[in-house]
Amino acid sequence: QVQLVQSGAEVKTPGASVKVSCKESAYAFTRNWMHWVRQAPGQGLEWMGVINPSGDNTRYAQKFQGRVTMTRDTSTSTVYMELRGLTSEDTAVYYCARDHSHLDTAMVTYWWFDPWGQGTLVTVSS
Amino acid sequence: SSEVTQDPAVSVALGQTVRITCQGDSLRSNYASWYQQKPGQAPILVIYGKNNRPSGIPDRFSGSSSGNTASLTITGAQAEDEADYYCNSRDSSTNHWVFGGGTKLIVL
Repeated sequence: QVQLVQSGAEVKTPGASVKVSCKESAYAFTRNWMHWVRQAPGQGLEWMGVINPSGDNTRYAQKFQGRVTMTRDTSTSTVYMELRGLTSEDTAVYYCARDHSHLDTAMVTYWWFDPWGQGTLVTVSS
Repeated sequence: SSEVTQDPAVSVALGQTVRITCQGDSLRSNYASWYQQKPGQAPILVIYGKNNRPSGIPDRFSGSSSGNTASLTITGAQAEDEADYYCNSRDSSTNHWVFGGGTKLIVL
């Protein structure tokens, strides 16, 4: 069973950057796309973007374009999410989640996220 | 960008059946996946694809889809099912993913 272990909580001042890591356990024999999702206090889940297994293809939500960078170190099975220009609105729990996809007998592809990391709280405060 | 919408809250009597729905144009061509989140915990997958449950998810959870609406049904809701439920779908036009706003399930 693959597990995702994220880095610890961070406290940042406005304008700073944060880099959160997500390490796949040794049981991950295949490399999958990895998503990043965040959740502001008392709010819902917000998809931020995704990175491919080799780390050379990313897709970012429009909201974060230009401010987020997702990278991958295949030698350590670790994925990173860096967010720049932090404001108080970026205070949230950040999750990584492993992507899966399947093409069924009706030739329909479907996707799901499993497992999720435990989350990393990023607090932005002056 | 495509959006998916959910009712903010739904209540169900203990042991009864409840349906949580998710609507959006992306659901016409993509199945939703569903996640359960309890306070202070990371989300967990409960339904994916046409109607697939990961191991460990009770069979009282099921999924269905029609047109632009995906549904998560809990047949015989238990107290431990009280949680927030989120749907997620892929937007084929952008190759991005989107979450619904979440539904808080209250078990009475």
